[in-house]
Amino acid sequence: GAVVSQHPSWVICKSGTSVKIECRSLDFQATTMFWYRQFPKQSLMLMATSNEGSKATYEQGVEKDKFLINHASLTLSTLTVTSAHPEDSSFYICSASSTGVLTDTQYFGPGTRLTVL
Amino acid sequence: AQSVTQPDIHITVSEGASLELRCNYSYGATPYLFWYVQSPGQGLQLLLKYFSGDTLVQGIKGFEAEFKRSQSSFNLRKPSVHWSDAAEYFCAVGAPGGYNKLIFGAGTRLAVHP
Repeated sequence: GAVVSQHPSWVICKSGTSVKIECRSLDFQATTMFWYRQFPKQSLMLMATSNEGSKATYEQGVEKDKFLINHASLTLSTLTVTSAHPEDSSFYICSASSTGVLTDTQYFGPGTRLTVL
Repeated sequence: AQSVTQPDIHITVSEGASLELRCNYSYGATPYLFWYVQSPGQGLQLLLKYFSGDTLVQGIKGFEAEFKRSQSSFNLRKPSVHWSDAAEYFCAVGAPGGYNKLIFGAGTRLAVHP
């Protein structure tokens, strides 16, 4: 199956700094990438949907200025957590889809554990 | 609004025993339905999906799920569990018609005893 990678797999940062997380589709072109957040023992919550070359579409309640998403190529999307605070600590997961429609499988990355001190 | 309920947070079964993980959804029409498995250190992997047609869906790793409209359920089953099946299982629903958002349930953690 298709492979999606995330980098880094874990990161620890100080409060107030910014952290960038990369999501790459390794063997297919991903027109659409999704970013999720997962709290301990909870489900995945969709944060935003990004289409290559377009601005991301954020879910209600997600701060656009805090979670910057860039999808500059068909194989790479980045999530930047700006001015991170301890409440931003979480597990961030991306997924990628060839077209973005639900009839096409979303392939998920292994996730990035962010800890903000 | 769409929602997904997985009533069982944690399930423990013996290796070789049968398994059923429950999933109930709320949606006004027939949704797209998915089951994913998440193993530690790995991304979610799609086990199976239902869009239309035969309500009994076969997936990978010996899993199957049955869509029951009358019960708004999409339960996942496996006749004989292997120790390697220990993982977190997520049911998800999506709305047909172009809105490509997946709504996930809270997950069921499966432990397998030898």
